[in-house]
Amino acid sequence: NAGVTQTPKFQVLKTGQSMTLQCAQDMNHEYMSWYRQDPGMGLRLIHYSVGAGITDQGEVPNGYNVSRSTTEDFPLRLLSAAPSQTSVYFCASSSLSLNQPQHFGDGTRLSIL
Amino acid sequence: ILNVEQSPQSLHVQEGDSTNFTCSFPSSNFYALHWYRWETAKSPEALFVMTLNGDEKKKGRISATLNTKEGYSYLYIKGSQPEDSATYLCALSSNDYKLSFGAGTTVTVRA
Repeated sequence: NAGVTQTPKFQVLKTGQSMTLQCAQDMNHEYMSWYRQDPGMGLRLIHYSVGAGITDQGEVPNGYNVSRSTTEDFPLRLLSAAPSQTSVYFCASSSLSLNQPQHFGDGTRLSIL
Repeated sequence: ILNVEQSPQSLHVQEGDSTNFTCSFPSSNFYALHWYRWETAKSPEALFVMTLNGDEKKKGRISATLNTKEGYSYLYIKGSQPEDSATYLCALSSNDYKLSFGAGTTVTVRA
């Protein structure tokens, strides 16, 4: 019963490096999303997808790219890491029903030096 | 992005006491209100999703109410236990499935 799986759990990068945070779900959910969580702030939406081949920007999309080639996977790419992107990143998924909760992964703690 | 305010930011409660805290929103232009429970080093876990004015939901000792006309939702914890220590997140969902989260209320239950 995997649910939403995020990898890696921890990562340290140097400024300017690129990397991809992986997210996979096995619940056949159409909706997937990425959030970042910073101290004193709520979860902020980065990008989201309502199905394979469809992505859209959330509240804080700058510096991040996403793609959704399959229903199961929704990777988040940092093209050129900046210290301001130091954060905890959560992936979540849900069915396309407005009264259903989102299911969250365990998070990726990312530090940019 | 929908505006969501949670208060207080944190609270301490003695084991066995009951407590409640608030999620407020200036506009009722949303589809559903969500409550999540988030323990340290774990992922947020859904508690309730409420859509209708007057909705009341209950799970064990935790319950929630929704008043869309006056713009608030309350979360109640009855007979607090140490395992209730967590951050409780409120979120509003719009018709495009996006969630707007409040900053959370962190509850610490003292034994």
